[in-house]
Amino acid sequence: DAGVIQSPRHEVTEMGQEVTLRCKPISGHNSLFWYRQTMMRGLELLIYFNNNVPIDDSGMPEDRFSAKMPNASFSTLKIQPSEPRDSAVYFCASSLTSANNEQFFGPGTRLTVL
Amino acid sequence: GEDVEQSLFLSVREGDSSVINCTYTDSSSTYLYWYKQEPGAGLQLLTYIFSNMDMKQDQRLTVLLNKKDKHLSLRIADTQTGDSAIYFCAEKDNQGGKLIFGQGTELSVKP
Repeated sequence: DAGVIQSPRHEVTEMGQEVTLRCKPISGHNSLFWYRQTMMRGLELLIYFNNNVPIDDSGMPEDRFSAKMPNASFSTLKIQPSEPRDSAVYFCASSLTSANNEQFFGPGTRLTVL
Repeated sequence: GEDVEQSLFLSVREGDSSVINCTYTDSSSTYLYWYKQEPGAGLQLLTYIFSNMDMKQDQRLTVLLNKKDKHLSLRIADTQTGDSAIYFCAEKDNQGGKLIFGQGTELSVKP
């Protein structure tokens, strides 16, 4: 298996633009997590899904952020409009189930908002 | 609420042992984890321990859990330059599947 796949790996955009980050979890995994990592705040969980259903989105910063999982093999995290303070590395992770011990992380998307 | 604390930096010499410490607040956590993040990469699970254990050893890695003090440590024996990375401690939220991560400890191994 190729592991968790994220695209793009790097994104540079201007303030106010829409940004869409993509994730393909490991085949057969039923739980998917979106994290954000910054120097100031460390690693934060934004939202997670079980069987394509959002379970906990309490970490989503504000209404500018939205996440979808239309099927078991694809998820998106969208920021509209983007702001410079959204600059961070965004990780997607998947696990067999939410109760399963190991989360497998993707390589991350480094987002820079100018 | 739940909180996980780690020191931010640790520097050791190659061949020495490294000990990375972590404290957590949720006494009902059933699993505690150590993840490793190399530069430019995602996190990778190193090891985990059940809360009913006090020690787990896996090759050069030893995890010690003091449940009374809510203290977790990761010992790396014979530390190598390839061990240089950021190490994250995490506890599992028993109300769901999410993990609560510490800030990460940056381990620097000097030759």
